[in-house]
Amino acid sequence: GDKVKQSPSALSLQEGTNSALRCNFSIAATTVQWFLQNPRGSLMNLFYLVPGTKENGRLKSAFDSKESYSTLHIRDAQLEDSGTYFCAAVGTGGYKVVFGSGTRLLVSP
Amino acid sequence: GGIITQTPKFLIGQEGQKLTLKCQQNFNHDTMYWYRQDSGKGLRLIYYSITENDLQKGDLSEGYDASREKKSSFSLTVTSAQKNEMAVFLCASSRDNQAPLFGEGTRLSVL
Repeated sequence: GDKVKQSPSALSLQEGTNSALRCNFSIAATTVQWFLQNPRGSLMNLFYLVPGTKENGRLKSAFDSKESYSTLHIRDAQLEDSGTYFCAAVGTGGYKVVFGSGTRLLVSP
Repeated sequence: GGIITQTPKFLIGQEGQKLTLKCQQNFNHDTMYWYRQDSGKGLRLIYYSITENDLQKGDLSEGYDASREKKSSFSLTVTSAQKNEMAVFLCASSRDNQAPLFGEGTRLSVL
């Protein structure tokens, strides 16, 4: 089965609203990353997390290694937040980065 | 600033052809990765390398070879291109315990 399960697979938001994306891990993740892939295909790193939380502007991410999940909260969604969000986890052993299948987000006026 | 350069950006091949994709990074990162992304899907790890001349199989290594000729360079070979195959191949590099940085990708189409 999937080692990194992302939900939802797709999401539509109105500008100005809030939402949360989630990843559940069936591996013992030690670090988690969140990426945004734009329509051109470029991957932009949003967060790199050990267990705990980080915040950057309207985005906030949390990683709970004991409960094996991570969340990405988007506050006051803007049109430019549209794209595909991926989470990825590194397990014990260090190097293999395993990706979820992504959440396609569309923010509309 | 550093950069990850993937060549070529676009690759059109014939069924059965052997195709090589190249990746260079000037971050002096130890670890490099090759991922495959099919349309609308997540990234799947093909090969990774933790240092020069090292090679580790990912989940999708069958049908591919890789080579880490030097620290800055990691190449991927599709050993026999499959008809109608279309995918983006993404190279990444990272320092230990840091987030990988990605190249812009090589878009493959097989006729």
